[in-house]
Amino acid sequence: GDSVTQMEGPVTLSEEAFLTINCTYTATGYPSLFWYVQYPGEGLQLLLKATKADDKGSNKGFEATYRKETTSFHLEKGSVQVSDSAVYFCALKGNQGGKLIFGQGTELSVKP
Amino acid sequence: DAMVIQNPRYQVTQFGKPVTLSCSQTLNHNVMYWYQQKSSQAPKLLFHYYDKDFNNEADTPDNFQSRRPNTSFCFLDIRSPGLGDAAMYLCATSRDGGSYEQYFGPGTRLTVT
Repeated sequence: GDSVTQMEGPVTLSEEAFLTINCTYTATGYPSLFWYVQYPGEGLQLLLKATKADDKGSNKGFEATYRKETTSFHLEKGSVQVSDSAVYFCALKGNQGGKLIFGQGTELSVKP
Repeated sequence: DAMVIQNPRYQVTQFGKPVTLSCSQTLNHNVMYWYQQKSSQAPKLLFHYYDKDFNNEADTPDNFQSRRPNTSFCFLDIRSPGLGDAAMYLCATSRDGGSYEQYFGPGTRLTVT
């Protein structure tokens, strides 16, 4: 079945450092891909999405490109801030229904 | 602003005492989902409604039930909460089919004493 694998956390960075969180997926057909962010004690917020190969999703300085050849959707940000500290979830939505398949989440901690 | 609202944000119940969590939405989405999320884990889908059609996940315990009286509201009923049911419960909505994303509410933190 469909699955998503993220790099394990926690990831600890200094403010203004470059961020990469790796995400790879296994799916049949052409899934849609998402990154969600969860701040402590809150629900999930959609950060960005891509619906077809080579699409780049971007929001709030974060970017991810749908790479079908490597089945990847890595999240990047050029300069992180303390306020980016949160848990990040990569997810896919297959062609056969609305069910979201989540990765295990990656906790990011940004230090001043 | 259109949104997904969950009440209460924090709920404390006693072991075995039925509890109901509520979710409402102003997005007019026809699909509503309930997830359970335990610490440091990804959300786990319990069930969802596609309009009035109820879809249960195979591994959702019978202790969990849901009602959707209209498009805007959806309820999660836990008939006899156990200590293992303490978790964050997340409601989400989406348009039907395709690549539409899910919009999540802020969650209800359930404590079982």
